[in-house]
Amino acid sequence: GAVVSQHPSRVICKSGTSVKIECRSLDFQATTMFWYRQFPKQSLMLMATSNEGSKATYEQGVEKDKFLINHASLTLSTLTVTSAHPEDSSFYICSARRTGDSYEQYFGPGTRLTVT
Amino acid sequence: SQKIEQNSEALNIQEGKTATLTCNYTNYSPAYLQWYRQDPGRGPVFLLLIRENEKEKRKERLKVTFDTTLKQSLFHITASQPADSATYLCALTNDYKLSFGAGTTVTVRA
Repeated sequence: GAVVSQHPSRVICKSGTSVKIECRSLDFQATTMFWYRQFPKQSLMLMATSNEGSKATYEQGVEKDKFLINHASLTLSTLTVTSAHPEDSSFYICSARRTGDSYEQYFGPGTRLTVT
Repeated sequence: SQKIEQNSEALNIQEGKTATLTCNYTNYSPAYLQWYRQDPGRGPVFLLLIRENEKEKRKERLKVTFDTTLKQSLFHITASQPADSATYLCALTNDYKLSFGAGTTVTVRA
C-alpha cells in the first residue's frame, strides 16, 4: 500500500505556457501533500505544503502566483506552473502523508519539466 | 541557518562489504530523522525513521544510528549488493516538513 502517482512523468512546454502536474494517492487518503523541486545533483527543496480543502502554504522564496496548488480531494493535488520559463525546468516531486499517520511521507515518481 | 551535510557525494564499495554513510546537521534539533533511497529519475523511497530518543534502528540489512549530541546520523548497509546502488538521502523533521541533505550516491561493484 501507500502508492503515489504523478502525471505526466515528462513534459516539454514552450516558454510562456502553463503546465499542470497531478499527484494522486492511489490506495490511501492524504490530508497533506507536499511539492518539492530537485535540480541535478541537489537535494529536494520543499516548495509548498498542500492541505485538502484549504490554501497551500508556500516556502519562503516560492512565488504562489507562479506555482498554483490545488488540493481538492483527499487523493489529488495539482501543481500548475504558470507562464513557465526555462529556469523553471526541473524535476518536480510530490509526496503524501497518510491521514492519521505519523511522519512517513510517500513520494511520487516525479515529473521532469523542460521549458524551451 | 539550518544545514544538513552528507559525508560525500559518492561512495564506491565492493559487493559484500558494509557501506557507511554520514549525515551531519547544524542549527537544528530534529525530533525525527529519516533515510530515503532515490534511484535516477525517480522519487525517494522511505527506508527508515529514527526518533531523537532512539539510538539505533535496524531493518533487514540496514542500520541507522542517531546521536543528538554529535548532531549526526550514520546509515549502514551491510552485506551490500549491486542492487543497493542508488542515492541515499537523509531528511530531518520536527513536524511534517522534511529538510533533505543532498545525498550520497552509492555504487556497489560485483
